[in-house]
Amino acid sequence: EGQLVESGGGLVQPGGSLRLSCAASGITFSSYWMHWVRQAPGKGPVWVSRIDDDGKSTNYADSVKGRFSISRDSAKNTLYLQMKSLRVEDTAVYYCVRGGTYAGRAFYIWGQGTTVTVSS
Amino acid sequence: DIVMTQSPDSLAVSLGERATINCKSSQSVFYSSDNKNFLAWYQQKPGQPPKLLISWASTRESGVPDRFSGSGSGTDFTLTISSLQAEDVAVYYCQQYYTTSYSFGQGTKLEIK
Repeated sequence: EGQLVESGGGLVQPGGSLRLSCAASGITFSSYWMHWVRQAPGKGPVWVSRIDDDGKSTNYADSVKGRFSISRDSAKNTLYLQMKSLRVEDTAVYYCVRGGTYAGRAFYIWGQGTTVTVSS
Repeated sequence: DIVMTQSPDSLAVSLGERATINCKSSQSVFYSSDNKNFLAWYQQKPGQPPKLLISWASTRESGVPDRFSGSGSGTDFTLTISSLQAEDVAVYYCQQYYTTSYSFGQGTKLEIK
């Protein structure tokens, strides 16, 4: 079925930066749209960003537009999320998610998540 | 953006009884050219990521027990667990994937009565 393993989370001060990574295995990584979804403590999931199968098209939630950047390296089967100008409200568990082979598809496989804490 | 609203926020059901969770979208998520509703249901247990149970409003994912079923079309949807088992205690979310916002409902916490 495939596995997604996130890394790169941690504690960062407001205004700081972090780069999250997601290593994919057991899937044909280059065939799927990939997403980042975050979940603040005690809250529901919120979609953050997506990238198409060949990395040419990206989209972002309004709350992170201009601060976050999604990318992928199909040679390494890895998805990235570069986060800059971090805010306290960005504190959450960040999940890497495999979508479908087209944009409008459900979220089929989720990683275990990596925790980002933005605090002074 | 499409707003997804679930009801109730929490639900307590006896073992073996039926559990019903509702989800309403602020606009239709039915795509006529595909003849499909772009609506999914997820289950999240404590300390775990969400797990996809149902896509296209009523298509159960492989390995999901047949006591889980989804129904509805347009703006009104329902997740039904026909006979509640102890392992079904979780928070359930609906999600639309009709638009790029991929919005989720606020969640319904299901407990044993």
